[in-house]
Amino acid sequence: GNSVTQMEGPVTLSEEAFLTINCTYTATGYPSLFWYVQYPGEGLQLLLKATKADDKGSNKGFEATYRKETTSFHLEKGSVQVSDSAVYFCALRRITGNQFYFGTGTSLTVIP
Amino acid sequence: GAGVSQSPRYKVAKRGQDVALRCDPISGHVSLFWYQQALGQGPEFLTYFQNEAQLDKSGLPSDRFFAERPEGSVSTLKIQRTQQEDSAVYLCASSLLTEQETQYFGPGTRLLVL
Repeated sequence: GNSVTQMEGPVTLSEEAFLTINCTYTATGYPSLFWYVQYPGEGLQLLLKATKADDKGSNKGFEATYRKETTSFHLEKGSVQVSDSAVYFCALRRITGNQFYFGTGTSLTVIP
Repeated sequence: GAGVSQSPRYKVAKRGQDVALRCDPISGHVSLFWYQQALGQGPEFLTYFQNEAQLDKSGLPSDRFFAERPEGSVSTLKIQRTQQEDSAVYLCASSLLTEQETQYFGPGTRLLVL
């Protein structure tokens, strides 16, 4: 089947710390992979995506690389800011069909 | 604004009541998705529309759940005879047909069934 497993939170970091949120997936075929972010009081927003193996998605200083050999799509940022405090969701979409599969979300709090 | 809107934002229902949740997608977005997000979980796919056609309803958890989009714009998710396990946030998302991987989410409707 298709599923996403991501690192459980909550995660608390100091400003300017390095961030990694792990995400691994199970899928038939070669899915597209995504990170969505939900800021407090707001709806889900697409943060970045990668559609094939070895692609790197990046946005707002965040990066994630599609690793087929380890079925992973870990989210990283070199220096987090207080404004990055949010819940982050890893997701996949099968190459056929319309369904997205989301992980359970990882809550990040960045303290000054 | 020009984003996806949903109403009501909050709904409290007594067990056994019927509820209707509305989604207004971004104008011109052909694709529309409904998700259910339980507390502490990620969104789970319910159903997908392309214009007025419901092309995928494989995620609807029971026949008490029904969705429609009669004119290819506004969509309504109806839950009949609500149960406590239906309590969740119901999210709507829309996208262009050619860019389905970029979904725009609404703020959600939080449903509490007592």
